[in-house]
Amino acid sequence: DQQVKQNSPSLSVQEGRISILNCDYTNSMFDYFLWYKKYPAEGPTFLISISSIKDKNEDGRFTVFLNKSAKHLSLHIVPSQPGDSAVYFCAALSSMNYGGSQGNLIFGKGTKLSVKP
Amino acid sequence: DTEVTQTPKHLVMGMTNKKSLKCEQHMGHRAMYWYKQKAKKPPELMFVYSYEKLSINESVPSRFSPECPNSSLLNLHLHALQPEDSALYLCASSQVSQGLSPAAFFGQGTRLTVV
Repeated sequence: DQQVKQNSPSLSVQEGRISILNCDYTNSMFDYFLWYKKYPAEGPTFLISISSIKDKNEDGRFTVFLNKSAKHLSLHIVPSQPGDSAVYFCAALSSMNYGGSQGNLIFGKGTKLSVKP
Repeated sequence: DTEVTQTPKHLVMGMTNKKSLKCEQHMGHRAMYWYKQKAKKPPELMFVYSYEKLSINESVPSRFSPECPNSSLLNLHLHALQPEDSALYLCASSQVSQGLSPAAFFGQGTRLTVV
C-alpha cells in the first residue's frame, strides 16, 4: 500500500509559468516532507523540505505548501525554466524513524515535469 | 560540501564475478544508505547504517553485502548477481540527531549491468 502518492505521472508547463506538483500521503505519523529532483541516470538532488509544524517553506523559485488536515503537499516552481525539466519525487519521514538507529525516506513514484521553451 | 561520491559510475559484471561499489561523504553524516532504483520507479531502500552499525536490512538477498568501514565510507559488495539485479544503485547520507535536518543527500549512482 503506497504511503506517499504522486498521482500525476507527468506535467507539461510553458516556460515562465508556474509548475505545481502534488503529493498526498496516508501515514499520519509522517512529520517531515522533502522534494527531490532527478535527471536520468543521476542520483536525486535534494530541493526543499518542510516540517509538519509549518505550512509553507520557500527557497528562491521553489515553495512547498503543506496541508496537514488534507494530508497533501505541493511544490510550486515559479517561474518555470527548461532546466527544471526532470522527475520530481516527493518523500516523507516520521520523526520516530530518524534521529536514532533508523532513517527511512518513503518515496512517491515521481512526476515527470517538462518545461517547454 | 554537500557531496556524496560514488565509484564506479558504470559497472558491467558477469554472474560469477565479485565486485564492490564504493561511497564516500565528508559532511559528518552518521547515517548512510544504499538504495536501488529501476527505470521509472522510485528509489527502494536496501540498507541503512547508523553510527557505522547496520540498522536496517530490507530483506535484501545475501548476494548483496554492505560494509561501513568508517563514518565516511560505505561499500556494497556484490557476488553472484542475477541479470534482474541490473539497476542504478544509489548511496545517500544524512544527519542522525533529532533537531537537525534529516534530508538525505544522494550520490550520482552506479549504473550496474549484470550479464
